[in-house]
Amino acid sequence: DGGITQSPKYLFRKEGQNVTLSCEQNLNHDAMYWYRQDPGQGLRLIYYSQIVNDFQKGDIAEGYSVSREKKESFPLTVTSAQKNPTAFYLCASSFQRGGADTQYFGPGTRLTVL
Amino acid sequence: AQKVTQAQTEISVVEKEDVTLDCVYETRDTTYYLFWYKQPPSGELVFLIRRNSFDEQNEISGRYSWNFQKSTSSFNFTITASQVVDSAVYFCALKEDPGTASKLTFGTGTRLQVTL
Repeated sequence: DGGITQSPKYLFRKEGQNVTLSCEQNLNHDAMYWYRQDPGQGLRLIYYSQIVNDFQKGDIAEGYSVSREKKESFPLTVTSAQKNPTAFYLCASSFQRGGADTQYFGPGTRLTVL
Repeated sequence: AQKVTQAQTEISVVEKEDVTLDCVYETRDTTYYLFWYKQPPSGELVFLIRRNSFDEQNEISGRYSWNFQKSTSSFNFTITASQVVDSAVYFCALKEDPGTASKLTFGTGTRLQVTL
């Protein structure tokens, strides 16, 4: 089945630790995105990538890092520099075409810092 | 700067009632796209619809319908004869700069609770 997978579903981290969230897609989409969702709020963009080996910062990139070594994969690392990392993280992907692209989302990873 | 406002934080209805979720947006672009997503308790965002700024025709899909009015910068979503399975958080989103990967600007969402 085609889709976007994120792992793990739940993740617990101690303060001061880096942690990496996985996002994989088999939709042959060009672009991939990471969003953060806090309770009662909309989604905010962390990073996005239009093509392999290239990515851009979103609105709240501080304390996060990404890589895009393969078209199918866009892992997000939450570093110890992120002051308030407890949140729900959603990965998305889309085709890159001349018109608008629709972003499709994965099931999300809920990160809790202990 | 682009902005999306969903003024209704939470709505509760009884099954079979009709319900409208409001969405008001702000943008300086003449070309833009509007989206609605559904977030059930499982957390995954499910795409419902995309409309471009040049197409103001209302759209109906089963019990769902959307009313896009550029004059009032609104893109409202109506569920007819609501069902318990419609209970979720619904997000309206705006995308400028079509043709390139760029962010979606989301509203804060409306939580819909449908009870028996």
